[in-house]
Formats: sequence, structure tokens, C-alpha cells
Amino acid sequence: QKEVEQDPGPLSVPEGAIVSLNCTYSNSAFQYFMWYRQYSRKGPELLMYTYSSGNKEDGRFTAQVDKSSKYISLFIRDSQPSDSATYLCAMSRLYGQNFVFGPGTRLSVLP
Amino acid sequence: DVKVTQSSRYLVKRTGEKVFLECVQDMDHENMFWYRQDPGLGLRLIYFSYDVKMKEKGDIPEGYSVSREKKERFSLILESASTNQTSMYLCASSFTTGTGSAYEQYFGPGTRLTVT
Repeated sequence: QKEVEQDPGPLSVPEGAIVSLNCTYSNSAFQYFMWYRQYSRKGPELLMYTYSSGNKEDGRFTAQVDKSSKYISLFIRDSQPSDSATYLCAMSRLYGQNFVFGPGTRLSVLP
Repeated sequence: DVKVTQSSRYLVKRTGEKVFLECVQDMDHENMFWYRQDPGLGLRLIYFSYDVKMKEKGDIPEGYSVSREKKERFSLILESASTNQTSMYLCASSFTTGTGSAYEQYFGPGTRLTVT
């Protein structure tokens, strides 16, 4: 079993839809959770960061962490074609160290 | 604005060649990382460095070595390239854990290496 699992997609949605992206993990020691966005032919860039369980909102993006279920989610409201990218979840046990990345979900938002 | 640059966007090498991938960051970050990214496998850590002349093995160091002679520069070396090292290579940097933003890694654009 991989340490971090993520549905690779591709996921296609119409513009304006609510998108739900998810990761599951097996290591209960993970405490720091991140979502990165990677556009084609570019490196990943940090989108959201959360510590431990709970929700965090930033504009159209909401990150949720459920440590009891070992499950994290990223919601995108009012999705736009510019949101089309690969979304990678990442997590770590120690602050700023030993990041483990999921394989990424490719999202296409159709105009 | 943080910038991480990588020496080449695309590289084609022959089996057995020695390959150098260079990474430079301009934010005075202490930490630097080398990953490879393959479809379905995500990013896998090859090596990282927390300081000049320091290096630590990641999850898949076999067949690779690294060099960090200056704080801003981190090199990945494939001593004898093999076809299974064909991949996208990503360099990243971050602040040390003593700061408030050590969770964020800044990535370069990647080098797509093909070994034939």
C-alpha cells in the first residue's frame, strides 16, 4: 500500500462546478498537510497548507483534514478554466521535513 | 519573488553517460531538494541538503549523487545514466524549520531527461 493515495483522474468538470479532490494516507503520524497545483510544463506551487485536523478557506479554495479517517480534501468553488492543472497533496510528520507527495489528480475545467 | 532555476528544460543522454543537473535558488534558502516525477508515482525524493556540503539520502538515492558547494546551488549527478532514469527531475528549496514558512517548498520548472 502506498503511503499516500490519490485518484489520478483525469477529472473533467464544466466551468462553475464545485470540484472535490481527495487523498488518503496510511501514516497516522502525519500532521502537516499541503496542496500543490502544477500547471503543464511547470513545477508545483503551494496552494493551501493546514496543520492537524480542521478546515481552512482561501477564496474559492477550501482544504479539509480528517485525521481520524486519514483523509484530506480540497474543494474548489466556481471552478474556472484557469484551474485546469494537476493537484498534488503532500504531507509530513515533522514541520518542514520529509514531505510525502501523492501522485496527483489531473483536473480539466471545460468552458 | 522566489526563483528556482534549473539548467536545462530538456536533456537527451545516452546510456552510460555522466549527467549533471544544476539547480540555483535566489532566496537564500537553507534547504534544497531533488525529486523525480513519474506518472502514477508522483514526486519521489532522491536527495536533500540542509546546509552547504551537507546531504541526506531520500527515498530513491540509488544511481544518483549530489553536490552542494554553495548555498544557492544544488547539483544532481547521474554517474552512469540508465534508461530507467528517464524522468522529470524537479529541484525545490525551502527555509529551514526555524522559520514560519518551512512547510512551503518552491519548485523549479523541471528538467525532462531522456536516456536512450
